[in-house]
Formats: sequence, structure tokens, C-alpha cells
Amino acid sequence: EAGVVQSPRYKIIEKKQPVAFWCNPISGHNTLYWYLQNLGQGPELLIRYENEEAVDDSQLPKDRFSAERLKGVDSTLKIQPAELGDSAVYLCASSLGLRGEETQYFGPGTRLLVL
Amino acid sequence: KQEVTQIPAALSVPEGENLVLNCSFTDSAIYNLQWFRQDPGKGLTSLLLIQSSQREQTSGRLNASLDKSSGRSTLYIAASQPGDSATYLCAVRLGSGNTGKLIFGQGTTLQVKP
Repeated sequence: EAGVVQSPRYKIIEKKQPVAFWCNPISGHNTLYWYLQNLGQGPELLIRYENEEAVDDSQLPKDRFSAERLKGVDSTLKIQPAELGDSAVYLCASSLGLRGEETQYFGPGTRLLVL
Repeated sequence: KQEVTQIPAALSVPEGENLVLNCSFTDSAIYNLQWFRQDPGKGLTSLLLIQSSQREQTSGRLNASLDKSSGRSTLYIAASQPGDSATYLCAVRLGSGNTGKLIFGQGTTLQVKP
């Protein structure tokens, strides 16, 4: 069974440019998460989807970040415009149920460097 | 606000040694606690999950304990091997009303020397 797939794996952009990350969760998983991980830190939740509905986006900086999960499967996270401080690893995770109790399975992440 | 702390930040041990990684959290109202492993440049892999009603979980050479009242968890690794070298993260899942949200510690980076 394929795990959580993320692309691209690495991205280097100049500040003020837009960037987008894509995530394909494990087949059948209803809940999808986007996390931000800074160097030497644990991941921090940005947004959680139950099917296509964003149920927790309190940590998402909405002035420059946006996300969508059309049809409740794949998801895209966008930053526009990117800032130097956005350099980090962006992790996507998914879990089977809708109550958020099950184990979350993580993708390999997208490593973003903003110059 | 729930805060999770892991000590030490880094640890280096010779192969074969038994070791303990520590995790503490400030609010005991958790749903469960999970230990993850992260290899360089990769995502997180779940190792052990302890429900709030449980005291410990074991998987192979790994044993995780939970003391909710004192806000502590430990991950015990027996007979460490070079392949155990990685960053270990603990995360608490918040309770009712915030189901699904994981709060992570900053991790302990373990190096096991051959």
C-alpha cells in the first residue's frame, strides 16, 4: 500500500514568489493534515481537513497561506507571497477516521528554501 | 496552553547500551501520547501510542510509559543499535474539543555509535 505522497520534495524560490505543495493521502483516509516543521523543532499543525472541510485552520497564516482539498482526496497548500521565514519542511499526514483518534501517517515532506 | 518538552535535545551512546528518552507535558488532559521516529530528510513514523488510560506500551526493544498525573512519558530503548540513530519525537493528542490535534516536542536526536 502506498504511503502519503508529497511533491515536490524540494523547492527553492526567491522571496515574494508564490509556491504550492501537493499531497496525496493514503487511499481511503478521510482526515488530512498539513504541518510546518522548522529546523530542530517538532511539527506544528497548520490545517486539518475532514473530507473536504477544513475543521481546524486556526494556525494557518491566512494573509499569505491558503489550502484546499477538493473532492476530499488530494490537497494543495499555497504560499503567496513567500517570505524568508517560510523556509521549513512542510509535512502532510493522513488518518483513516474522522474523529482524529487514529494514528497519523506522515509523508516525506517538502523542504522549502526561500532566498 | 499545552507545551511539550523533550530532554535531552541530543544523545550519543555506544552500541548495546540501554537508554531512556524523556518527554514532559504541561496539561494532563490529554487523549493519548505518541512516540515518533524521524530519519533525516524523511517524514515521521509512529512507534508507539499510549492511550490516556494506559500506563505503558511495548514493541520489540521499545517500551513507552505514561504518567499522566505528573505529565511525563519515557521511551526506553533496549540494546541500542546504530540503526536506531534518528530523531525521536513525542506528541500529545489533545482531549475533547480538540480531537486530532497533536502537540509535538522538539525531539531528541539519538546517535548510536558502532
